[in-house]
Amino acid sequence: EIVLTQSPGTLSLSPGERATLSCRASQSVSSSFLAWYQQKPGQAPRLLIYGASSRATGIPDRFSGSGSGTDFTLTISRLEPEDFAVYYCQQYDNSPITFGQGTRLEIK
Amino acid sequence: EVQLVESGGGLVKPGGSLRLSCAASRITFGSYTMNWVRQAPGKGLEWVSSISSGSSYIYYADSVKGRFTISRDNAKNSLYLQMNSLRAEDTAVYYCARDGNLYCSGGTCFYDYWGQGTLVTVSS
Repeated sequence: EIVLTQSPGTLSLSPGERATLSCRASQSVSSSFLAWYQQKPGQAPRLLIYGASSRATGIPDRFSGSGSGTDFTLTISRLEPEDFAVYYCQQYDNSPITFGQGTRLEIK
Repeated sequence: EVQLVESGGGLVKPGGSLRLSCAASRITFGSYTMNWVRQAPGKGLEWVSSISSGSSYIYYADSVKGRFTISRDNAKNSLYLQMNSLRAEDTAVYYCARDGNLYCSGGTCFYDYWGQGTLVTVSS
C-alpha cells in the first residue's frame, strides 16, 4: 500500500501568514489522485482539494494544492482564524486508499 | 443541505457485534459508491470498506475482512456496516462518506460528503 508522510507534524503560525503543508508518498501517485481534507475537533473531515489541485465546491481560493508524483503541497495563502485545524492528505490511486497521519495547524 | 447521518454506535464487549446505519437525505445516493472510514480516538483516518452503487463491487480493508459486512438499500437511501467479532482495536468513530466522483472505480476515490460519525467502543 502507498504510505503518505505529512510534514511538519505541527505547524504554528499567526493569522494572516502563509501555511505550507507537505505530503510525500512512498511511491508515485499517478494521475495526481491526491486529495486534502480539513478536520476540526469533533467534526467530520471536509474535502478541500482533489486531483492534487482542484478546489472542492465552496472552498475559498486561499486554499491551493500542487504537486505530482510523490511530492504534494497544500498552501493556505493568508490564514484566517477558522483555518486552524488538522489537515490530512489522501491518495486514491491505489487500493487500499490511504491517508497521511495529519498536520496540526495551530495558532502561534 | 446534504445530510449523511450515522447511527448504531455504542459500547460492546470484545467478540460482540454491532450494526451501523447511515441515512442519506438531499443527496444523490443510489448512483454513487459509498464508504465507511474510521478514526480511532486521537488518531488519523482509516478506510474500512466500500460498496458500489448497485452493490456489485465490495471492498474491505485487510483489518476488517471476514468480520465486517457492508451493504446498502438504495430504496431507503441507507448504508449499513455489520460488525462482528469486534476487537478493542476497532474502537473508533465510524464515518460514512460518499465518493466524490461517479467515475471512480476499484474502491478508490476521494470523498465529498461525510456524516458526523458514530462512536463504537469495544471494551469489557
